[in-house]
Amino acid sequence: GQQLNQSPQSMFIQEGEDVSMNCTSSSIFNTWLWYKQEPGEGPVLLIALYKAGELTSNGRLTAQFGITRKDSFLNISASIPSDVGIYFCAGQTGNQFYFGTGTSLTVIP
Amino acid sequence: DVKVTQSSRYLVKRTGEKVFLECVQDMDHENMFWYRQDPGLGLRLIYFSYDVKMKEKGDIPEGYSVSREKKERFSLILESASTNQTSMYLCASSLLLNTQYFGPGTRLTVL
Repeated sequence: GQQLNQSPQSMFIQEGEDVSMNCTSSSIFNTWLWYKQEPGEGPVLLIALYKAGELTSNGRLTAQFGITRKDSFLNISASIPSDVGIYFCAGQTGNQFYFGTGTSLTVIP
Repeated sequence: DVKVTQSSRYLVKRTGEKVFLECVQDMDHENMFWYRQDPGLGLRLIYFSYDVKMKEKGDIPEGYSVSREKKERFSLILESASTNQTSMYLCASSLLLNTQYFGPGTRLTVL
């Protein structure tokens, strides 16, 4: 199956900084999902987006479903040490989910 | 909250053994999935099931089989484990195929 293009691959930021990451695809999706995964754990769903143009927040996290339906971004504001982990996107079409390669986030206190 | 549980967090098996990984969800979801996750390869779909006793092959079904006898339970079977099946195995469930919820994962090592 296809993998989505996710960037950046990794980020090292100071505590308090804002973070932005995005996913792009050559295919149109019906749903975009953003997950966080910590070492040795399963992915945890952060935000689900169901409509083109939709902008959704979950605490300090904000995600948008691109208007072309081929991209999505995730922003984290005022990062804290517990934001550390791997964030990845997923796009859904039909009965298939396709996943990004992940963005590894390190927050330096 | 959706809860997806997996029978083991860590497993160590020997080459040639038959291995059962079990997944249970408590939200009456129709759809369940098994993935494996490997560094640099991301998440790859092994099998999914959209109803009891129904199954569909994913991208990498070779060496695996599945069983879904009850709606809440989806089992992944390695008929004869091999070292290249050492991986993190993730189960997921979905109600309407527009959102997936993952379990905590099973890290399997085959010696």
